[in-house]
Parts: sequence; structure tokens; C-alpha cells
Amino acid sequence: DAGVTQSPTHLIKTRGQHVTLRCSPISGHKSVSWYQQVLGQGPQFIFQYYEKEERGRGNFPDRFSARQFPNYSSELNVNALLLGDSALYLCASSFRGAGGANVLTFGAGSRLTVL
Amino acid sequence: QQQVKQSPQSLIVQKGGISIINCAYENTAFDYFPWYQQFPGKGPALLIAIRPDVSEKKEGRFTISFNKSAKQFSLHIMDSQPGDSATYFCAGGTSGTYKYIFGTGTRLKVLA
Repeated sequence: DAGVTQSPTHLIKTRGQHVTLRCSPISGHKSVSWYQQVLGQGPQFIFQYYEKEERGRGNFPDRFSARQFPNYSSELNVNALLLGDSALYLCASSFRGAGGANVLTFGAGSRLTVL
Repeated sequence: QQQVKQSPQSLIVQKGGISIINCAYENTAFDYFPWYQQFPGKGPALLIAIRPDVSEKKEGRFTISFNKSAKQFSLHIMDSQPGDSATYFCAGGTSGTYKYIFGTGTRLKVLA
């Protein structure tokens, strides 16, 4: 059974450019969340989508946007890239576990380097 | 109010020893506390999780201890093995949401 798949795995961009990252959730999972993990830090919540609707947004500027498609895959878009956007971008799909908690399963991430 | 503080930043343990990682949270609305294990080049993987209505949860060599009054919880890895060498993250969140607040991580190295 395939896990959460993300593409591309690595990419290099220059300041001011735009980037699109893609995520396919585990089959049957309808929710996708995006997290940013800066080197040496824990993941930080960016967005959550459920059934194609945005259900949560973290403290990130409007340069960050996302969407979810009818097949539950998702894209994260970042415009006007800054050096500080260099990070590992993690996608997680979710199911409701025992007791009602939303259990996150992460992909391997897309490592973005902004020069 | 949203922070989860994690310590130590790094930890070196001999094979067979006990690894202990501590976390403290601020938001009393949190009711779900997972621990994630991350190997280089991989995404975080759920290791074990606890709710504040229990004081301890054990799964194999991994145990979470939870102190609700102190707003602290810890991960104990018994009989630590070199294969446990990874970065460990604690997190806190509220049931029904997908927004988890992660600690800054502990890099564990288990010496053979």
C-alpha cells in the first residue's frame, strides 16, 4: 500500500521565483495538511484541506497558497520566493484514529533550496 | 501560549541504556500528544501518542509519561539500540484539528 507521495523530492529556485509542490495522500484519506520544516526545527503547520476546502491555516504570508483536487491530491504554491523559504515541505494525510484524534502520516517531503 | 518546549537538543546513550526526552506545553486545550521519529531524508513517522486522561502509555520499548498538572510529558526509550538513532519530536494538538504544534526536536545517538 503506497504511503504519502510527494514531488519533487528536491528542487532549487532563485529569489522571486514561484514553486509548486505536489502531494498524493494515502488511498482513502480525504484530508491533507502541509507543514514547513526548517533545518534543525520541528515542522510548522501551513495549511489543512478536507474535501477540497481549506479547514485551517497557519501563520504564513499570503505568498503561500494551496488547493486540493477531487482525487484528494494537493498542491502547495509559494510565490515570490525568499531565502527564508528554504526548507523541507512536508505533506501529511490523515485519518481519524481511536478516540477521535487525527493521526498524521507524513510523506518524505520536498526539499526546497532558494538561492 | 502555543509553544511546545523540548529538551535536550541532543542526547548520546550507550546501547542498552534508557533514553529520556522531555517536553512541556502551554496550551491547556491540547488533548492529544504524539511523538514522531524522523530519520535523515525521511518524513516524521508516528511513534506513540497519549491523551491527558492517562498518566502513562507503553508500546514495546517506548513509554510516554504524562503529568497533566505540570503540563509536561516525556518519552522513555528502554534498552536503546543503534537503530533508534534518529531525531524525535514531541507535539501537542486538539482533537478534531489537524494543526499540531511540534517541539524543536531531539537528536538521539545510540552508541553500539
